Amino acid sequence: DAEITQSPRHKITETGRQVTLACHQTWNHNNMFWYRQDLGHGLRLIHYSYGVQDTNKGEVSDGYSVSRSNTEDLPLTLESAASSQTSVYFCASSESSGSVFGEQYFGPGTRLTVT
Amino acid sequence: EDQVTQSPEALRLQEGESSSLNCSYTVSGLRGLFWYRQDPGKGPEFLFTLYSAGEEKEKERLKATLTKKESFLHITAPKPEDSATYLCAVQTRGGGYNKLIFGAGTRLAVHP
Repeated sequence: DAEITQSPRHKITETGRQVTLACHQTWNHNNMFWYRQDLGHGLRLIHYSYGVQDTNKGEVSDGYSVSRSNTEDLPLTLESAASSQTSVYFCASSESSGSVFGEQYFGPGTRLTVT
Repeated sequence: EDQVTQSPEALRLQEGESSSLNCSYTVSGLRGLFWYRQDPGKGPEFLFTLYSAGEEKEKERLKATLTKKESFLHITAPKPEDSATYLCAVQTRGGGYNKLIFGAGTRLAVHP
């Protein structure tokens, strides 16, 4: 069965360190997304990609970067981790067609703590 | 500014007590409204898509409806297993790209 996986599921890091969160999907979807979820906020979009070599900034992209070298993977890098980046991070994917763009498949999430 | 607001923030129901969750939105051009269910410690799971005012979708005890300014998720005779956070999202388009904007969610607890 197709799926979307994230690793690690839990991560504790120190302020200033570089951290990379992995996301891998086997749906063969062109669209991939990274969100963060914090109490009192909805899911907020960090970065997204509509295909290989395509990346775009979302509403909360400062301090984060992504790269898309193949269809299956979209790693999220925190260049220099800050305490404000403590959050739960979700990766998602969807088909390209406009009519099903919003039907996104989510991974299980990565809980990141920056100390 | 595009915005999605869900109410109430939390809802406690007795098993069998029907109710509705609200999702109101202000966006420049609605291309779809989506409902998701999220269980604790898991990623959101897609439930419904609604595209135009008057449209309705049903799945078991859940029915989603859409007007020009809001959507409702009606829960009929809920069971404890319906306890979850329900998220609403709207699809809009800006800068040549589709975007999905999420509300903060409604936490539903159904007690036996």
